Amino acid sequence: QVQLQESGPGLVKPSETLSLTCNVSGVSVTNDTYYWSWIRQPPGRGLEWIGYIYYTETTGSNPSLKSRVTISLDTSKNHFSLKLTSVTAADTAVYYCARFPAGSRWFFDLWGRGTSVTVSS
Amino acid sequence: QSALTQPASVSGSPGQSITISCTGTSGDIGTFKLVSWYQFHPGAGPKLIIYEVNKRPSGVSDRFSASKSGNTASLTISGLQAEDEADYFCCSYAGFATVIFGGGTKVTVL
Repeated sequence: QVQLQESGPGLVKPSETLSLTCNVSGVSVTNDTYYWSWIRQPPGRGLEWIGYIYYTETTGSNPSLKSRVTISLDTSKNHFSLKLTSVTAADTAVYYCARFPAGSRWFFDLWGRGTSVTVSS
Repeated sequence: QSALTQPASVSGSPGQSITISCTGTSGDIGTFKLVSWYQFHPGAGPKLIIYEVNKRPSGVSDRFSASKSGNTASLTISGLQAEDEADYFCCSYAGFATVIFGGGTKVTVL
């Protein structure tokens, strides 16, 4: 059974870097069938796509976040990670990891349960 | 990129049908047949219920159907059941390897 599970600190101070990991089980992150992605939902608001990574380490991200986002793969641990720099209160959200099929299909067929991150001093 | 526009809430009685709209632009929904819909139940991981405008993943009830016309996509839930009470989000490919989501719609079963 394929599962995704987010992990990371629930509280980050303003101006610091938010770091989250998505642990993947049941499929290898090097599987060329899938891309791996991060999505977030600020409190009371809609979803915001953050970015993706492919096993080739090709990445893409939301233009509004691009300068602050780094997504990376760790094949030895079968997980992928998100780093978001210079966080502010506006980055407070539930963060989800998800996968989408390769081949320009652009839908997220599997999600983690999400992890809540609060930016506050 | 602005978020896709969804109604904040939609409600219906058990057995009824409801429709959730999702309005975008010619740069996303209007151009690409890559609209998807997700169901969010509290405490559970989000679930894909529609992809590529109107396709249902295996295991998703056929009470869920969807379509698009112009810049607007729609999700219809037929034979509304208590278990359908959840938040629903639409999503569209927006070109240049990006996607955009809607603001979400809370479905209440009366």
